[in-house]
Amino acid sequence: DAGVIQSPRHEVTEMGQEVTLRCKPISGHNSLFWYRQTMMRGLELLIYFNNNVPIDDSGMPEDRFSAKMPNASFSTLKIQPSEPRDSAVYFCASSLDRGQLGVESPLHFGNGTRLTVT
Amino acid sequence: AQSVTQLGSHVSVSEGALVLLRCNYSSSVPPYLFWYVQYPNQGLQLLLKYTSAATLVKGINGFEAEFKKSETSFHLTKPSAHMSDAAEYFCAVSSFYGKLTFGQGTILTVHP
Repeated sequence: DAGVIQSPRHEVTEMGQEVTLRCKPISGHNSLFWYRQTMMRGLELLIYFNNNVPIDDSGMPEDRFSAKMPNASFSTLKIQPSEPRDSAVYFCASSLDRGQLGVESPLHFGNGTRLTVT
Repeated sequence: AQSVTQLGSHVSVSEGALVLLRCNYSSSVPPYLFWYVQYPNQGLQLLLKYTSAATLVKGINGFEAEFKKSETSFHLTKPSAHMSDAAEYFCAVSSFYGKLTFGQGTILTVHP
């Protein structure tokens, strides 16, 4: 099992540039989550997909952030334009949601993308 | 609405000593509760989970946690700390569709 794969591991960019983060979930998983981790705010859920459909994007901070999941094996998180306050570690996680009320579904996390915006 | 409070952002223990990391939750529905561990420059790994079966849950690496509904707690313990346990630990609560709300994390330091 390859686990959740994120790329790149590190990204350094200048303010105003577009940044695209990529995620390949575990094969067979139908739920995908993007989290952001900072010292100040801890782990924040940005967006949640189920069966490739965005279900909850209430955590997306601004219109500068967008996420897509064109198929079950790929998702992107895009920031355009980027700002220094976007510097953080961005995690992608996937899980198998069996769709039944009350069924737990542990998340499997990727190793994250450390984004630095200068 | 759900929330998690981890008491103590830093915990320091000696090797061989008891590890106790505290977590209290708030949930309007019966919760699913998790502990995750994060090593430097890595993602989070699941340690253990509570899913309304046994209230005492055993996880990997000798960790266990006890669900206490009356205290709304899910504290993580390990009888004897090892140097390799040094990491950041996150408690999380899940809604019915699996969305996790994390606590702020507790950094565990283990001294020789």
